[in-house]
Amino acid sequence: RKEVEQDPGPFNVPEGATVAFNCTYSNSASQSFFWYRQDCRKEPKLLMSVYSSGNEDGRFTAQLNRASQYISLLIRDSKLSDSATYLCVVIPPYGGATNKLIFGTGTLLAVQP
Amino acid sequence: DAGITQSPRHKVTETGTPVTLRCHQTENHRYMYWYRQDPGHGLRLIHYSYGVKDTDKGEVSDGYSVSRSKTEDFLLTLESATSSQTSVYFCAIRDTLYEQYFGPGTRLTVT
Repeated sequence: RKEVEQDPGPFNVPEGATVAFNCTYSNSASQSFFWYRQDCRKEPKLLMSVYSSGNEDGRFTAQLNRASQYISLLIRDSKLSDSATYLCVVIPPYGGATNKLIFGTGTLLAVQP
Repeated sequence: DAGITQSPRHKVTETGTPVTLRCHQTENHRYMYWYRQDPGHGLRLIHYSYGVKDTDKGEVSDGYSVSRSKTEDFLLTLESATSSQTSVYFCAIRDTLYEQYFGPGTRLTVT
C-alpha cells in the first residue's frame, strides 16, 4: 500500500463549480500535512498547510480527519486558473527534524469554461 | 519567491557520462533537498542536506551523490548516467515553518 494515495482524476468541472479532493495516508502517526499545486511543467508550489482544526484561505478549505486518515481540499467557485495538479503531501513519523516529505502522485483538475 | 535557482534547466546527455546539477539558494536555509519526479511515482527524495558537509540519503539514492561545501549550493551528481535517470529533478529548501519550497527544476534526458 502506498503511504499517500490520491485519485489521479482528471476532475473536469465547469467554472464556478465546487470540487473536492481527498487524500489518504497509511501511517496513523504522520505529523504534518500539506497541499501543493503544480502547473504543467512547473515546480510544485505550496498551496496550504493542513491543521488539525482545518484551515481556509479564500476559496480553498483544507481539512484533516485523523480517525479516517485522510485530508481533503475543497475549492469553491472554481476558476480557469485553478486548473493544475494538486499534490497531497505528508510528513511521516520518521520524517522528524529532517522533514522528509511523502508526496502523492497528484490529482489533475481541469476547469472548463 | 524562495530564491532558489537550478542549473542547467535542460540537459541531454549520453549513457555513462557524469552529470552535475546545481541548486543555489539566496536565503541561507539550513535544509536542502533533491527530488526526482516521474510519471506514476510522484516526487521522490534522492538526498538531502542539513548543513554544510552534512548530507544523507533519501529513498532513491542509488546512482547519485551530493555535496554541499557552502550553505547556498547543493550539488547533485550522477557519476555515470543511465537511461533510468531520465527525469525532472527538483531542488527544495525548508523554511523555519517546516514548509518546503521548490526550485524551477531541471529536465534531464539520458540517451
